[in-house]
Amino acid sequence: AQSVTQPDIHITVSEGASLELRCNYSYGATPYLFWYVQSPGQGLQLLLKYFSGDTLVQGIKGFEAEFKRSQSSFNLRKPSVHWSDAAEYFCAVGFLTGANNLFFGTGTRLTVIP
Amino acid sequence: EAQVTQNPRYLITVTGKKLTVTCSQNMNHEYMSWYRQDPGLGLRQIYYSMNVEVTDKGDVPEGYKVSRKEKRNFPLILESPSPNQTSLYFCASSLTIYHSGANVLTFGAGSRLTVL
Repeated sequence: AQSVTQPDIHITVSEGASLELRCNYSYGATPYLFWYVQSPGQGLQLLLKYFSGDTLVQGIKGFEAEFKRSQSSFNLRKPSVHWSDAAEYFCAVGFLTGANNLFFGTGTRLTVIP
Repeated sequence: EAQVTQNPRYLITVTGKKLTVTCSQNMNHEYMSWYRQDPGLGLRQIYYSMNVEVTDKGDVPEGYKVSRKEKRNFPLILESPSPNQTSLYFCASSLTIYHSGANVLTFGAGSRLTVL
């Protein structure tokens, strides 16, 4: 069955520490990959996306993600977390066809402590 | 400003009382979609529309209706709401139905619905 897995429901990091949020997918074809962030009371904002080419993609707010085909993973990283990064993060996959649907993971909630 | 606008943002209603959540986009997008977000389940697609008068079911369409009479509007209709439809709802749109580097979904701010 097709699935997107974010194994960490909740992560707590100290401000200034590095961050890695995990995302694995299970699909037959190579999907398009996305990370979205949802701040409290807000909609979803696109952080970055991977369609093809360089497997290390840069996004907004200092985030980056690396696509590893052999591991079916698309982990999100940030070298130094800021208090304003506290939010919920969603990994999503999509396909070239299929009505532009995105399949979302269950999300990882990030808490940043001073 | 390019955006997707949903209304209402917050609503408390009672079982069986019909309601409509409106969604409007000002980007001339062909594709529009509704998602619901529930704790531990992420976002799941309810319905989508590939263009005017073209709609189809997503993964969780039961209890919902939609219409696409104009390109900019895609209302979500709950004919007889039930408590299991208490959720956070998101409308989204994109230029075309196909993913590409230049074509991604833009989301509205969300509508939190509580059905008592």
